[in-house]
Amino acid sequence: DIQMTQSPSTLSASVGDRVTITCRASQSISSWLAWYQQQPGKAPKLLIYKASNLESGVPSRFSGSGSGTEFTLTISSLQPDDFATYYCHQYSGYWTFGQGTKVELK
Amino acid sequence: VQLVESGGGLVQPGGSLRLSCAASGFTFDSYWMHWVRQAPGKGLVWVSRVSSFGDNTIYADSVKGRFTISRDNAKNTLYLQMNSLRAEDTAVYYCARARGIFDSASNVYYYIDVWGLGTTVIVSS
Repeated sequence: DIQMTQSPSTLSASVGDRVTITCRASQSISSWLAWYQQQPGKAPKLLIYKASNLESGVPSRFSGSGSGTEFTLTISSLQPDDFATYYCHQYSGYWTFGQGTKVELK
Repeated sequence: VQLVESGGGLVQPGGSLRLSCAASGFTFDSYWMHWVRQAPGKGLVWVSRVSSFGDNTIYADSVKGRFTISRDNAKNTLYLQMNSLRAEDTAVYYCARARGIFDSASNVYYYIDVWGLGTTVIVSS
């Protein structure tokens, strides 16, 4: 199985900060990576697919990049609604998720 | 587009439950569907996937032989039959839709684009 490792596990930031989350795959997954946001007690929400494609309706402050084994999710200017947990998800092979990155208020 | 799960609850170890997921707002039989679970305070874990016509299924090793995914396209409903339940199966179970995307060689890759609200399964004596 392809393992996905996110870093950091927790990130402390302030409103307006630029935030970057990294996801590494245990083997190449080309660009078959998605990013999700999950608010406490809610279902995940798709943000990015195919590594860098912004899902319709998602604010443009979210962006994704990378290919192969290393990927990043960037929030250009953190907003109050963005404090949440973020997961990467590979769909190159059987579906696996990263362990999550919690973005909390500094 | 909406996915609404039901059927969760408290069950004793070794028991069974059947989860359902009612889909609406899209052409159900055009999409692969998944079950994903999340244990309390933990991350997302993929459980199972069924093809659009129900003829192809895949399971995570942790549930293989105990869980069965199926669908009724006439009823726009996805199911997960869970047998021989264990404490470690305790989780919120999400139904999810998969959208296909093609590469340059016309291979298709499926990623989850819509999630249900989830139903809670607790396995405890």
